[in-house]
Amino acid sequence: GENVEQHPSTLSVQEGDSAVIKCTYSDSASNYFPWYKQELGKGPQLIIDIRSNVGEKKDQRIAVTLNKTAKHFSLHITETQPEDSAVYFCAGLTGGGNKLTFGTGTQLKVEL
Amino acid sequence: SAVISQKPSRDICQRGTSLTIQCQVDSQVTMMFWYRQQPGQSLTLIATANQGSEATYESGFVIDKFPISRPNLTFSTLTVSNMSPEDSSIYLCSVEVVSSDTQYFGPGTRLTVL
Repeated sequence: GENVEQHPSTLSVQEGDSAVIKCTYSDSASNYFPWYKQELGKGPQLIIDIRSNVGEKKDQRIAVTLNKTAKHFSLHITETQPEDSAVYFCAGLTGGGNKLTFGTGTQLKVEL
Repeated sequence: SAVISQKPSRDICQRGTSLTIQCQVDSQVTMMFWYRQQPGQSLTLIATANQGSEATYESGFVIDKFPISRPNLTFSTLTVSNMSPEDSSIYLCSVEVVSSDTQYFGPGTRLTVL
């Protein structure tokens, strides 16, 4: 089955700096990669996703890049703000199925 | 997207008892899922809730412990049976909207078993 690894487990940045979270996956058949943000006491919120036929996708301060050859994808947050502080999860969806496999999560802290 | 609600939002239960968690979505969806998130951990899929038939369970999860119902396209329940402190977790419902691959999550049910 699919295995998704996520790094780093914790990330601390200064407000205004950029943050990058990286994930690798094992199943070359995986074709959909969402990113979720989970604030304390809440359910995961979808913030951006990318499909395997696209190399990059951007939505305001958030971007995701995908390298199918290397089987890794990354979340980029620019101009970070304190409200970006949360746990971020990457996930991969195996082709032909509906099961998401999640990474282990990254605790992002944006410091003033 | 979809608006998902879960009841209860949290509960504290005694070991040996059972708790049923409800998940309601505001639109018809193709797929509904139940996840467990242990304290400080990632999300693990328990099962896929199938309308009108038995749920499909992932390895390590069994129907006797986590019976699931899905009587229609917008509602599902998960029961945590014969609870022990190890069942203390957040239980999350998610839905996939009309074959889009995209899953949206409910707010979760925070369960503490004493």
